[in-house]
Amino acid sequence: SQQGEEDPQALSIQEGENATMNCSYKTSINNLQWYRQNSGRGLVHLILIRSNEREKHSGRLRVTLDTSKKSSSLLITASRAADTASYFCATDNFLQGAQKLVFGQGTRLTINP
Amino acid sequence: NAGVTQTPKFRVLKTGQSMTLLCAQDMNHEYMYWYRQDPGMGLRLIHYSVGEGTTAKGEVPDGYNVSRLKKQNFLLGLESAAPSQTSVYFCASSTGPETQYFGPGTRLLVL
Repeated sequence: SQQGEEDPQALSIQEGENATMNCSYKTSINNLQWYRQNSGRGLVHLILIRSNEREKHSGRLRVTLDTSKKSSSLLITASRAADTASYFCATDNFLQGAQKLVFGQGTRLTINP
Repeated sequence: NAGVTQTPKFRVLKTGQSMTLLCAQDMNHEYMYWYRQDPGMGLRLIHYSVGEGTTAKGEVPDGYNVSRLKKQNFLLGLESAAPSQTSVYFCASSTGPETQYFGPGTRLLVL
């Protein structure tokens, strides 16, 4: 079953605009992560936000977490063509000592030049 | 430092054939994972390992087996491939309860 659900499924914006993607999840979490996947490639970790954090920044990325609403958002500011990719949120739970990530279906972001 | 590598990159199988996918990591990570990615489904965990010699089932383990004989390697086997196993397979590793590092993926087509 999918824990995280991203919204929208696809987003197309002009270069320079900001892009916002949302993620909702069902159960309590320890942390939430965002990953990027370029077409035909593996996933790359972008940012992790812990359950006791509300906002986190990394370069042009801003992540918020609202545990009361069980939701997170990823904001990419001043988008570039190179930001074109799919973005996945992943929530965690621990299973037999290992971190098990549960991924959403992703948001496909297209940046138009 | 190659990170996580996967072999092969692409494979075509006929129904009923067997194959092994190899994942190798050079980061001395304890934890390793196998996922499959299908269109519109995100990634789903097949099997995982918390250390050399250990394996455990994930969300979709049926039809797959795994082995972790060496810390740096995690093998995923398909004993009798089925068309439903057509997918992109990703391996990942981690040192702890945070970032997972992914390989480039293996595209498998079962005819």
